[in-house]
Amino acid sequence: AQRVTQPEKLLSVFKGAPVELKCNYSYSGSPELFWYVQYSRQRLQLLLRHISRESIKGFTADLNKGETSFHLKKPFAQEEDSAMDYCALSGPLTGANNLFFGTGTRLTVIP
Amino acid sequence: NAGVTQTPKFQVLKTGQSMTLQCAQDMNHEYMSWYRQDPGMGLRLIHYSVGAGITDQGEVPNGYNVSRSTTEDFPLRLLSAAPSQTSVYFCASRDSGGSSYEQYFGPGTRLTVT
Repeated sequence: AQRVTQPEKLLSVFKGAPVELKCNYSYSGSPELFWYVQYSRQRLQLLLRHISRESIKGFTADLNKGETSFHLKKPFAQEEDSAMDYCALSGPLTGANNLFFGTGTRLTVIP
Repeated sequence: NAGVTQTPKFQVLKTGQSMTLQCAQDMNHEYMSWYRQDPGMGLRLIHYSVGAGITDQGEVPNGYNVSRSTTEDFPLRLLSAAPSQTSVYFCASRDSGGSSYEQYFGPGTRLTVT
Protein backbone atom coordinates (compact mmCIF):
# COMPACT_ATOMS: atom_id res chain seq x y z
CA ALA A 1 0.00 0.00 0.00
CA GLN A 2 1.09 3.55 -0.59
CA ARG A 3 2.31 5.75 2.22
CA VAL A 4 3.48 9.35 2.46
CA THR A 5 5.40 10.35 5.58
CA GLN A 6 6.02 13.91 6.66
CA PRO A 7 7.92 13.55 9.93
CA GLU A 8 7.64 17.18 11.04
CA LYS A 9 4.20 18.43 12.11
CA LEU A 10 5.63 21.86 12.86
CA LEU A 11 8.70 23.60 11.48
CA SER A 12 9.84 27.09 12.43
CA VAL A 13 12.70 28.92 10.74
CA PHE A 14 13.92 32.50 10.79
CA LYS A 15 13.47 34.74 7.79
CA GLY A 16 16.42 34.37 5.47
CA ALA A 17 17.37 30.93 6.77
CA PRO A 18 17.28 27.82 4.60
CA VAL A 19 14.25 25.59 4.93
CA GLU A 20 13.74 21.92 4.15
CA LEU A 21 10.46 20.07 4.57
CA LYS A 22 10.90 16.33 4.52
CA CYS A 23 8.76 13.88 2.62
CA ASN A 24 9.30 10.16 2.22
CA TYR A 25 7.03 7.83 0.34
CA SER A 26 6.31 4.18 -0.17
CA TYR A 27 4.87 2.99 -3.47
CA SER A 28 5.32 -0.05 -5.68
CA GLY A 29 6.18 1.60 -8.95
CA SER A 30 6.78 5.12 -10.18
CA PRO A 31 4.34 7.59 -8.69
CA GLU A 32 3.91 11.23 -9.50
CA LEU A 33 4.91 13.39 -6.51
CA PHE A 34 3.50 16.76 -5.55
CA TRP A 35 3.79 19.48 -2.95
CA TYR A 36 0.54 21.31 -2.21
CA VAL A 37 0.41 24.46 -0.08
CA GLN A 38 -2.38 26.06 1.90
CA TYR A 39 -1.84 29.67 2.93
CA SER A 40 -4.00 31.17 5.66
CA ARG A 41 -7.64 31.50 4.51
CA GLN A 42 -6.81 30.25 1.01
CA ARG A 43 -7.61 27.07 -0.82
CA LEU A 44 -5.15 24.26 -1.28
CA GLN A 45 -3.03 24.88 -4.35
CA LEU A 46 -0.27 23.12 -6.19
CA LEU A 47 3.23 24.32 -5.39
CA LEU A 48 5.39 21.81 -7.22
CA ARG A 49 5.20 18.53 -9.11
CA HIS A 50 8.24 16.44 -9.78
CA ILE A 51 7.61 15.85 -13.48
CA SER A 52 7.88 19.55 -14.29
CA ARG A 53 11.17 20.03 -12.40
CA GLU A 54 10.45 23.74 -12.05
CA SER A 55 11.08 26.16 -9.22
CA ILE A 56 8.07 27.97 -7.78
CA LYS A 57 8.44 30.89 -5.34
CA GLY A 58 12.04 29.83 -4.86
CA PHE A 59 11.09 26.30 -3.77
CA THR A 60 12.53 23.20 -5.37
CA ALA A 61 12.03 19.50 -4.76
CA ASP A 62 14.06 16.65 -6.18
CA LEU A 63 12.69 13.17 -6.44
CA ASN A 64 15.22 10.69 -5.03
CA LYS A 65 14.00 7.27 -6.06
CA GLY A 66 16.78 5.50 -4.17
CA GLU A 67 15.80 7.09 -0.87
CA THR A 68 12.13 7.39 -1.90
CA SER A 69 12.14 11.02 -0.85
CA PHE A 70 10.78 14.26 -2.24
CA HIS A 71 12.01 16.92 0.17
CA LEU A 72 10.97 20.54 -0.37
CA LYS A 73 13.75 23.12 -0.11
CA LYS A 74 14.25 26.85 -0.25
CA PRO A 75 17.58 28.59 0.38
CA PHE A 76 16.16 31.75 1.98
CA ALA A 77 12.79 31.58 3.72
CA GLN A 78 10.37 34.52 3.50
CA GLU A 79 7.54 35.43 5.86
CA GLU A 80 5.00 34.79 3.11
CA ASP A 81 6.15 31.16 3.00
CA SER A 82 4.34 30.50 6.28
CA ALA A 83 1.72 27.91 5.39
CA MET A 84 0.54 24.35 5.74
CA ASP A 85 2.45 22.17 3.28
CA TYR A 86 1.37 18.74 2.12
CA CYS A 87 3.36 16.17 0.21
CA ALA A 88 1.21 13.91 -1.98
CA LEU A 89 1.57 11.15 -4.50
CA SER A 90 -0.56 9.78 -7.29
CA GLY A 91 -0.40 6.76 -9.50
CA PRO A 92 -2.34 3.78 -10.80
CA LEU A 93 -2.08 2.00 -7.44
CA THR A 94 -3.92 4.80 -5.62
CA GLY A 95 -7.10 3.97 -7.55
CA ALA A 96 -8.03 6.10 -10.55
CA ASN A 97 -4.80 7.98 -9.89
CA ASN A 98 -6.24 9.50 -6.73
CA LEU A 99 -4.05 11.84 -4.70
CA PHE A 100 -2.74 10.34 -1.47
CA PHE A 101 -1.57 12.91 1.08
CA GLY A 102 0.87 13.01 3.94
CA THR A 103 -0.19 14.48 7.26
CA GLY A 104 1.28 17.88 6.51
CA THR A 105 3.90 20.23 7.96
CA ARG A 106 3.01 23.66 9.27
CA LEU A 107 5.84 25.99 8.30
CA THR A 108 6.25 29.20 10.27
CA VAL A 109 8.80 31.77 9.17
CA ILE A 110 9.79 34.02 12.05
CA PRO A 111 10.51 37.65 11.14
CA ASN B 1 -13.63 30.33 -15.12
CA ALA B 2 -14.75 30.09 -11.50
CA GLY B 3 -12.86 26.80 -11.14
CA VAL B 4 -14.14 24.62 -8.31
CA THR B 5 -16.84 26.14 -6.12
CA GLN B 6 -18.29 24.84 -2.87
CA THR B 7 -21.30 25.81 -0.79
CA PRO B 8 -21.85 26.49 2.01
CA LYS B 9 -18.61 27.88 3.44
CA PHE B 10 -19.65 27.14 7.01
CA GLN B 11 -22.29 24.86 8.50
CA VAL B 12 -23.30 23.79 11.98
CA LEU B 13 -25.38 20.66 12.35
CA LYS B 14 -26.87 18.79 15.26
CA THR B 15 -26.14 15.10 15.66
CA GLY B 16 -28.49 13.08 13.49
CA GLN B 17 -29.27 15.82 10.99
CA SER B 18 -28.61 15.33 7.30
CA MET B 19 -27.29 17.76 4.76
CA THR B 20 -25.67 18.05 1.35
CA LEU B 21 -22.41 19.81 0.60
CA GLN B 22 -22.41 21.19 -2.91
CA CYS B 23 -19.50 21.14 -5.32
CA ALA B 24 -19.38 22.37 -8.90
CA GLN B 25 -16.65 22.88 -11.48
CA ASP B 26 -16.72 24.66 -14.82
CA MET B 27 -13.55 23.18 -16.33
CA ASN B 28 -15.27 20.16 -17.92
CA HIS B 29 -13.19 17.82 -15.77
CA GLU B 30 -14.27 14.21 -15.77
CA TYR B 31 -12.63 13.39 -12.44
CA MET B 32 -13.95 14.84 -9.16
CA SER B 33 -13.29 13.96 -5.55
CA TRP B 34 -14.11 14.80 -1.94
CA TYR B 35 -11.56 15.00 0.88
CA ARG B 36 -11.82 15.76 4.54
CA GLN B 37 -9.04 17.63 6.32
CA ASP B 38 -8.41 16.95 10.00
CA PRO B 39 -5.54 18.18 12.19
CA GLY B 40 -2.68 15.73 12.29
CA MET B 41 -4.28 13.50 9.68
CA GLY B 42 -3.86 15.48 6.49
CA LEU B 43 -6.41 15.10 3.72
CA ARG B 44 -8.20 11.80 3.36
CA LEU B 45 -10.24 10.77 0.34
CA ILE B 46 -13.93 10.17 0.99
CA HIS B 47 -15.40 9.44 -2.46
CA TYR B 48 -14.43 10.08 -6.04
CA SER B 49 -15.93 9.98 -9.51
CA VAL B 50 -14.29 9.38 -12.88
CA GLY B 51 -17.29 10.62 -14.82
CA ALA B 52 -21.03 11.18 -14.79
CA GLY B 53 -22.82 8.17 -13.36
CA ILE B 54 -19.63 6.62 -11.94
CA THR B 55 -18.61 6.92 -8.30
CA ASP B 56 -16.38 4.94 -5.99
CA GLN B 57 -15.30 4.89 -2.36
CA GLY B 58 -12.10 6.37 -1.06
CA GLU B 59 -10.29 5.85 2.21
CA VAL B 60 -13.03 7.07 4.61
CA PRO B 61 -16.46 6.65 2.94
CA ASN B 62 -18.60 5.63 5.92
CA GLY B 63 -21.42 8.03 6.70
CA TYR B 64 -21.24 9.77 3.33
CA ASN B 65 -23.04 9.32 0.01
CA VAL B 66 -22.30 10.80 -3.40
CA SER B 67 -23.85 10.84 -6.83
CA ARG B 68 -22.74 12.28 -10.15
CA SER B 69 -25.59 13.04 -12.48
CA THR B 70 -23.71 15.71 -14.46
CA THR B 71 -20.07 16.42 -15.29
CA GLU B 72 -20.24 19.72 -13.42
CA ASP B 73 -21.70 18.72 -10.05
CA PHE B 74 -20.58 16.30 -7.36
CA PRO B 75 -22.60 16.71 -4.14
CA LEU B 76 -21.63 15.03 -0.87
CA ARG B 77 -24.44 13.91 1.41
CA LEU B 78 -24.16 13.33 5.14
CA LEU B 79 -26.94 10.92 6.01
CA SER B 80 -26.98 11.27 9.80
CA ALA B 81 -24.34 13.68 11.05
CA ALA B 82 -22.05 12.64 13.89
CA PRO B 83 -19.52 14.71 15.88
CA SER B 84 -16.72 12.64 14.25
CA GLN B 85 -17.69 14.27 10.95
CA THR B 86 -16.66 17.70 12.22
CA SER B 87 -14.03 18.63 9.68
CA VAL B 88 -13.15 20.81 6.73
CA TYR B 89 -14.34 19.31 3.46
CA PHE B 90 -12.63 19.93 0.14
CA CYS B 91 -13.85 19.12 -3.31
CA ALA B 92 -11.35 18.75 -6.15
CA SER B 93 -11.34 18.05 -9.85
CA ARG B 94 -8.83 16.94 -12.44
CA ASP B 95 -8.50 16.78 -16.19
CA SER B 96 -8.53 13.08 -16.96
CA GLY B 97 -6.95 13.60 -20.35
CA GLY B 98 -3.94 15.51 -19.08
CA SER B 99 -0.41 14.24 -18.63
CA SER B 100 -0.40 15.10 -14.93
CA TYR B 101 -2.56 14.00 -12.05
CA GLU B 102 -2.68 17.53 -10.58
CA GLN B 103 -5.99 18.31 -8.89
CA TYR B 104 -7.69 21.68 -8.45
CA PHE B 105 -9.33 22.33 -5.10
CA GLY B 106 -12.35 24.27 -3.97
CA PRO B 107 -12.28 26.74 -1.06
CA GLY B 108 -13.63 24.22 1.45
CA THR B 109 -16.64 23.84 3.72
CA ARG B 110 -16.09 23.98 7.46
CA LEU B 111 -18.61 21.67 9.14
CA THR B 112 -19.24 21.45 12.86
CA VAL B 113 -21.49 18.74 14.28
CA THR B 114 -22.66 19.28 17.86
